[in-house]
Amino acid sequence: KAGVTQTPRYLIKTRGQQVTLSCSPISGHRSVSWYQQTPGQGLQFLFEYFSETQRNKGNFPGRFSGRQFSNSRSEMNVSTLELGDSALYLCASSLGHQGTDTQYFGPGTRLTVL
Amino acid sequence: AQSVTQLGSHVSVSEGALVLLRCNYSSSVPPYLFWYVQYPNQGLQLLLKYTSAATLVKGINGFEAEFKKSETSFHLTKPSAHMSDAAEYFCAVSDTGNTGKLIFGQGTTLQVKP
Repeated sequence: KAGVTQTPRYLIKTRGQQVTLSCSPISGHRSVSWYQQTPGQGLQFLFEYFSETQRNKGNFPGRFSGRQFSNSRSEMNVSTLELGDSALYLCASSLGHQGTDTQYFGPGTRLTVL
Repeated sequence: AQSVTQLGSHVSVSEGALVLLRCNYSSSVPPYLFWYVQYPNQGLQLLLKYTSAATLVKGINGFEAEFKKSETSFHLTKPSAHMSDAAEYFCAVSDTGNTGKLIFGQGTTLQVKP
């Protein structure tokens, strides 16, 4: 099976712009989660989607949003970019949304905000 | 609330030596615990997970971890380090409730010296 894929892998934006990141889960996986990774804050949970419904949301401002499509693919959007949004954004997929379900991570999208 | 603490942000060992990466958790319910590894410019790869079955969990690449409830620990070990083990290692716990959300420790960078 193909793994989790994320596009694009690298992105450079300027402050004030918006960006959309895409994640395709492993075939058959219905749950997608997003995480932000920075040197200072580490890995922080953004959102979790299952069957097109947001089940859980992390402590991020409303500029961060996401959605999941009927084929389980997911997108996250960041509006009005700030310098502090520069990070590696990781997507993970799992079969379900239980705590025991293993999350499989994609390679990430490296976002740089200038 | 769930939390994870990884003791030591950097660990250095010689090739062939024992690897010990420490993880302590805080959880109000029986936890589900995970160890992930991240190589440079890549996503996270699951090494092993504990979901309340055997307390000694064997993972990939010769790693194993032991769940000790009395010590609230889930330390990762490998008997003999290899140069290819140099990477960043993350311990994580599933959040409480019906969710796949992971709460990560700050990570430990493992350096392997020849």
